[in-house]
Amino acid sequence: EAQVTQNPRYLITVTGKKLTVTCSQNMNHEYMSWYRQDPGLGLRQIYYSMNVEVTDKGDVPEGYKVSRKEKRNFPLILESPSPNQTSLYFCASSPGVGVEQFFGPGTRLTVL
Amino acid sequence: KNQVEQSPQSLIILEGKNCTLQCNYTVSPFSNLRWYKQDTGRGPVSLTIMTFSENTKSNGRYTATLDADTKQSSLHITASQLSDSASYICVVSSTDSWGKFQFGAGTQVVVTP
Repeated sequence: EAQVTQNPRYLITVTGKKLTVTCSQNMNHEYMSWYRQDPGLGLRQIYYSMNVEVTDKGDVPEGYKVSRKEKRNFPLILESPSPNQTSLYFCASSPGVGVEQFFGPGTRLTVL
Repeated sequence: KNQVEQSPQSLIILEGKNCTLQCNYTVSPFSNLRWYKQDTGRGPVSLTIMTFSENTKSNGRYTATLDADTKQSSLHITASQLSDSASYICVVSSTDSWGKFQFGAGTQVVVTP
């Protein structure tokens, strides 16, 4: 089944403890992106990748890192999480930029 | 200031009725505009994508319109069903920033029996 998977789906952690949220797609898509969703603010783009080894900042990249070593995977790294990074995170992928994006199921992160 | 504004914030409609959601944007130069449907707790699902040259596009009971001159779009839902209860999100991208997307805050639609 064609899909975007994210792990974990739910995570509660403490301030400063490094964590990684994984994102994987099985559709051979070139484009992948990370978003966070907060009440009243909607979705905001964190980082995106046009292809392997090509990443760029979205609107809210502070406090996050990404890497794209393989086409299928695009992990989101929080080196030192803070409470203001408590949010619902979505990964998405698409064959290219001008076409439909497919979103993962979301990861709900709570930083205490 | 958000470059994509949606209205209304929320609306309640009776099953079987029609409704129209609005999206105004300032993103420029314009590349394309998308409408997504997001059920509570799930990832958004694409409904339509329109480029500069397209002024209407349908997906079943959903019809999106685009006026690139006035920078406005609307999403019309025909003969609403209970399953249409969701948040509807307008997303705009620019030819200046390939790969970047600007999201509206969404319109929460509740369809009641």
